[in-house]
Amino acid sequence: DQQVKQNSPSLSVQEGRISILNCDYTNSMFDYFLWYKKYPAEGPTFLISISSIKDKNEDGRFTVFLNKSAKHLSLHIVPSQPGDSAVYFCAASVGYSGAGSYQLTFGKGTKLSVIP
Amino acid sequence: DAGVTQSPTHLIKTRGQQVTLRCSPKSGHDTVSWYQQALGQGPQFIFQYYEEEERQRGNFPDRFSGHQFPNYSSELNVNALLLGDSALYLCASRSAGHLPYGYTFGSGTRLTVV
Repeated sequence: DQQVKQNSPSLSVQEGRISILNCDYTNSMFDYFLWYKKYPAEGPTFLISISSIKDKNEDGRFTVFLNKSAKHLSLHIVPSQPGDSAVYFCAASVGYSGAGSYQLTFGKGTKLSVIP
Repeated sequence: DAGVTQSPTHLIKTRGQQVTLRCSPKSGHDTVSWYQQALGQGPQFIFQYYEEEERQRGNFPDRFSGHQFPNYSSELNVNALLLGDSALYLCASRSAGHLPYGYTFGSGTRLTVV
């Protein structure tokens, strides 16, 4: 049973336009949601996060929106740049429960291509 | 400041063999997690080590085992390799006191089982 779902395997966007990547989850115990970016031959790199008590978090060109009632989050990139081309993973974690907490549950990823 | 270091970067093993993968966490980090990323999939949690003990485990068989050393480095061992164990194995570290966005990932070890 996949608890974190990214239903779009790929997305192409023109440079300068907005990229919107979507993620759905099923586990209502998730307290933290994260987006990771991955280039080929590299490990995932943390991009932005949001806790379940917020509905929006912004960091420069990146904004994450959380809709808890719909169990849905999205990552907006504005404006998109060719260097943003990568695989984006949505991940989620349950809150603290002692040593060993915060294991991440990942979606399958969305490959973003930003066309110059 | 070195990040998470994993070795080797690539490995080819025969079905039935055993393999050991190694991870050195980022300086200042004391918690190490291992993830398996199969082709076309997201990383899947294997287990997490803190204070030299396995603290949490994902849905992986006992063929997967690990160890954490006093210097916080870690090993992942896989016995009786199956073709389906072919994947990218990622190590992630963080400081135990930090929230989940404190994870730093290594570049991974690409394991191919033939």
